[in-house]
Amino acid sequence: AQSVAQPEDQVNVAEGNPLTVKCTYSVSGNPYLFWYVQYPNRGLQFLLKYITGDNLVKGSYGFEAEFNKSQTSFHLKKPSALVSDSALYFCAVRTENAGNMLTFGGGTRLMVKP
Amino acid sequence: DAGVIQSPRHEVTEMGQEVTLRCKPISGHNSLFWYRQTMMRGLELLIYFNNNVPIDDSGMPEDRFSAKMPNASFSTLKIQPSEPRDSAVYFCASSFLAGNEQYFGPGTRLTVT
Repeated sequence: AQSVAQPEDQVNVAEGNPLTVKCTYSVSGNPYLFWYVQYPNRGLQFLLKYITGDNLVKGSYGFEAEFNKSQTSFHLKKPSALVSDSALYFCAVRTENAGNMLTFGGGTRLMVKP
Repeated sequence: DAGVIQSPRHEVTEMGQEVTLRCKPISGHNSLFWYRQTMMRGLELLIYFNNNVPIDDSGMPEDRFSAKMPNASFSTLKIQPSEPRDSAVYFCASSFLAGNEQYFGPGTRLTVT
């Protein structure tokens, strides 16, 4: 079984400040981890993924995420938030033997205020 | 590439009517997924296909829901008869087996009155 938890329903940050959106996972086996962003009235957009290799993964729009195996976490980060980053963010996980089926977290709403 | 294409973008129908949602995956992708998103339940996987074959339909809510993928470039999700509680945004996504990440369409907003 695989599961993902996003402990915060909403994260508020001021423009220009660093942001972190948290994600923890539970899988048996090696995890494949993903972040997606959803803007209003749009589909989910792929941001970045971790499969193997360097624990720090860089993705679109200046976002990055760090894979931490001991803490089973994959937090999304950005050094300087923009108002346009305000959206709904989803973390997702799958394992090597789960086909292509992803398990998504409940989502975290990021609000960046000017 | 045009990305994943879904039609219609909006559908309003009356309870008891049949609803058919359509999806064209990205060319070359061999996995296709149908999701439903609501405020109450979040994002739910309904069914997914690999190479046009349904692999896991355990998320399909009940027998009123059915999905088909007659070829690699087209899939449908049908609800018959529709009920007000089916109101949601339905997303189709596709991926290439070896690439892992899924690419989502813009969604169909379904309202059943």
